Amino acid sequence: NAGVTQTPKFQVLKTGQSMTLQCAQDMNHNSMYWYRQDPGMGLRLIYYSASEGTTDKGEVPNGYNVSRLNKREFSLRLESAAPSQTSVYFCASSEAGRGYTFGSGTRLTVV
Amino acid sequence: GQQVMQIPQYQHVQEGEDFTTYCNSSTTLSNIQWYKQRPGGHPVFLIQLVKSGEVKKQKRLTFQFGEAKKNSSLHITATQTTDVGTYFCAPNYGQNFVFGPGTRLSVLP
Repeated sequence: NAGVTQTPKFQVLKTGQSMTLQCAQDMNHNSMYWYRQDPGMGLRLIYYSASEGTTDKGEVPNGYNVSRLNKREFSLRLESAAPSQTSVYFCASSEAGRGYTFGSGTRLTVV
Repeated sequence: GQQVMQIPQYQHVQEGEDFTTYCNSSTTLSNIQWYKQRPGGHPVFLIQLVKSGEVKKQKRLTFQFGEAKKNSSLHITATQTTDVGTYFCAPNYGQNFVFGPGTRLSVLP
């Protein structure tokens, strides 16, 4: 019962580089989410997917793209990383109206 | 976007003291969730409140949803060092849950 698995756990990028953060859940949840958390702040929604085949923008989508590959997997891509994207990224999944299960996070530094 | 306030931002207590954090919204909520995040960890779901005036307990934690469904509180009785972390409320504004800024609790042994 792994829950939500995120890879990688840590990453350092140079400005302008691209990368994809991977997320997979094994709870058969329909909804999946990507959040970022900056020091001392709450979680801000980047993108979400209410069900397989759909994705929608959240509060802070600029500079990111997502892919709901199948019901289990939801990836987040940074096409051209910027220092402002230095953050901790959390993936989460849920059934509609239920509590979210979060992954352990990816700590990303853009230099 | 919708704004949710949490007070206080920080709280330092002596072990054994009680602790309360409040979550306030300017609009009526359908429901609200609470999460705990330990330092360096990820948010963990604690509870969901749905009904007006609802009170739920989990051991030393008491969660309350206001009568007008615009505010909520989390009260911890006799804090322990294991309660250290940030507590987030997450009101539902219709489509997704919006996380508040959190209250960071430190417990001095």
